[in-house]
Amino acid sequence: HVQLVQSGGGLVNPGGSLRLSCAASAFTFSDYYMTWIRQAPGKGLEWISYISSDGSTIVYAESVKGRFTVSRDNVRNSVHLQMNSLRGDDSAVYYCARDPNFELRPYYFDYWGQGTLVTVSS
Amino acid sequence: DIVMTQSPDSLAVSLGERATINCKSSQSVLYSSNNKNYLAWYQQKAGQPPRLLISWASIRESGVPDRFSGSGSGTDFTLTITSLQAEDVAVYYCQQYYSTFLTFGGGTKLEIK
Repeated sequence: HVQLVQSGGGLVNPGGSLRLSCAASAFTFSDYYMTWIRQAPGKGLEWISYISSDGSTIVYAESVKGRFTVSRDNVRNSVHLQMNSLRGDDSAVYYCARDPNFELRPYYFDYWGQGTLVTVSS
Repeated sequence: DIVMTQSPDSLAVSLGERATINCKSSQSVLYSSNNKNYLAWYQQKAGQPPRLLISWASIRESGVPDRFSGSGSGTDFTLTITSLQAEDVAVYYCQQYYSTFLTFGGGTKLEIK
């Protein structure tokens, strides 16, 4: 069955960096757009970035643009989120998610990773 | 960005009764060329990732019980749960995908009265 298994995360100092990974299985990963979404503690959901199936198109939310970088490896069936210049308001559970549509951008998400907590604090 | 506003923030309903959650978008999410509403609903239980319930405003996902239904068009949408079950306790979110910059509602917390 389709699985998205996340790794990375943890406690980091303000200004620091962290890399999250999301390993996909049981579907043709290279066919699908992948998206990162975060959720601050006790708060709602915030879309932060997506990457096209071939990695040629990446779009970021303004809140992370210039600090976060998304990449994917279609051989290893994984997507990554490199987070630099982290701030307190980046503290959240980060989810990777799959869009089941085959459009030119993501729509909605049918499978989600389990989430990984990032805490930015000194 | 399209702002999604949900109401109420929280809701307590008796078992077996109906729950209604509203979602309003700051601009229409109805795409005129295909007459589709670009709106989804998710359920998030404590400690879990969101689960997709409904897409295109009213299309229930495979495996979602038929007590869940979505309705509405343009800027006003509703998620209805008929005959509430204990396992329906969760936070529910709407999400628009009309715009490239996807946005979610603030969530509605559903509890048992």
